[in-house]
Amino acid sequence: EIVLAQSPGTLSLSPGERATLSCRASQSVSSSHVAWYQQKPGQAPRLLIYGASSRATDIPDRFSGSGSGTDFTLTISRLEPEDFAMYYCQQYVSSTGTFGQGTKVEIK
Amino acid sequence: EVQLEQSRAEVKKPGESLTISCKGSGYRFTNYWIGWVRQMPGKGLEWMGIIHPGHSETRYRPSFQGQVTISADKSINTAYLQWSSLKASDTAIYYCARHLTTSSWSPFAYWGQGTLLTVSS
Repeated sequence: EIVLAQSPGTLSLSPGERATLSCRASQSVSSSHVAWYQQKPGQAPRLLIYGASSRATDIPDRFSGSGSGTDFTLTISRLEPEDFAMYYCQQYVSSTGTFGQGTKVEIK
Repeated sequence: EVQLEQSRAEVKKPGESLTISCKGSGYRFTNYWIGWVRQMPGKGLEWMGIIHPGHSETRYRPSFQGQVTISADKSINTAYLQWSSLKASDTAIYYCARHLTTSSWSPFAYWGQGTLLTVSS
């Protein structure tokens, strides 16, 4: 099973700042098969990024994804108040997909 | 508009059986894989397994194999997650989700609202 490790566990930032979230895979993953999700309390997750760098429908361009091999990054260029939430990466290349443990982006 | 409507919250006792459901609408149900994701209280997302309603091929994460059964009834556009004997550790929110494309190698783009399961004596 491919294990995904996200870091940091918590990111404390102010609105307007840049957020950089990391996701490291236990083995090489095709960049075509990495996604990022946002989840707010009491809500279902929402797809943000797929194929490592493609934005899902209606996702603002302040969200961007990059990476290859075992290292992937989600960047939020300027944090808006509604961006403070949990973020999960996922790989879907193996026959069973896996999620990272999540990064919480909280208001500093 | 693609929608996934999940069954209501459940409170059950250990040892009881349960089936929860996920009804898809707004798309051709038989063309897209549907998955189930567990979220235990205060914890992250866990991929449980997926099913293709068109031909009923099913894949399970090893840790969930034998613990739950995923099925689908294409005649009523509904997927199911079933337990034969619940444990307290099954307490969680369970989400169903549809893949972005017809391939299983695509992310979960559409999500149900979640079904909260509480297992307590």
